[in-house]
Amino acid sequence: GDSVTQMEGPVTLSEEAFLTINCTYTATGYPSLFWYVQYPGEGLQLLLKATKADDKGSNKGFEATYRKETTSFHLEKGSVQVSDSAVYFCALSAGRGGGSNYKLTFGKGTLLTVNP
Amino acid sequence: DVKVTQSSRYLVKRTGEKVFLECVQDMDHENMFWYRQDPGLGLRLIYFSYDVKMKEKGDIPEGYSVSREKKERFSLILESASTNQTSMYLCASSPIPNTRNQETQYFGPGTRLLVL
Repeated sequence: GDSVTQMEGPVTLSEEAFLTINCTYTATGYPSLFWYVQYPGEGLQLLLKATKADDKGSNKGFEATYRKETTSFHLEKGSVQVSDSAVYFCALSAGRGGGSNYKLTFGKGTLLTVNP
Repeated sequence: DVKVTQSSRYLVKRTGEKVFLECVQDMDHENMFWYRQDPGLGLRLIYFSYDVKMKEKGDIPEGYSVSREKKERFSLILESASTNQTSMYLCASSPIPNTRNQETQYFGPGTRLLVL
């Protein structure tokens, strides 16, 4: 079945450091890939997504590129801020339709803490 | 903006009680989902619904049931709450296929349930 493996946390960085959170996936066909973010005490919000190979999703300074050859979708940011402290989830949607319309398969999440 | 609301942010119940968690979305989305979130396990899908009165089991449906009588409302029911159902419960919705953002799920703020 489909699965997502992401870097175990927690990750602790100083402000303005470079961030990478690794994510690899296993899926049949051509899934869409997502990064969601969960700020403390809140639900998940979509951060960025990519729907086909070589697409780059970007938002709020974060980027991730859909790499089919390595089945990866690593999240990067060049200079993190304290306000980026949150849990980050990588997810895929196989979009098989029918009764399983666009279920998401999530990784376990990576807690990022950014210190001033 | 899509708004997904959940009836309670925090809930404390006793073992054996019947518990109702309500979720409402205001974007006329076809698909609705219930997840539970536990440390180290990420998000796990309990049930989802792709139309009124339609439902499908997710990965961990045991001990839960759902109801979708109206398009905008999706209820999660714990028939007889147990301590191992203490968790954060997240509701999400997504639009029909072949629409913009068809695979993006929009999440509510979550309900933190404690079963004593």
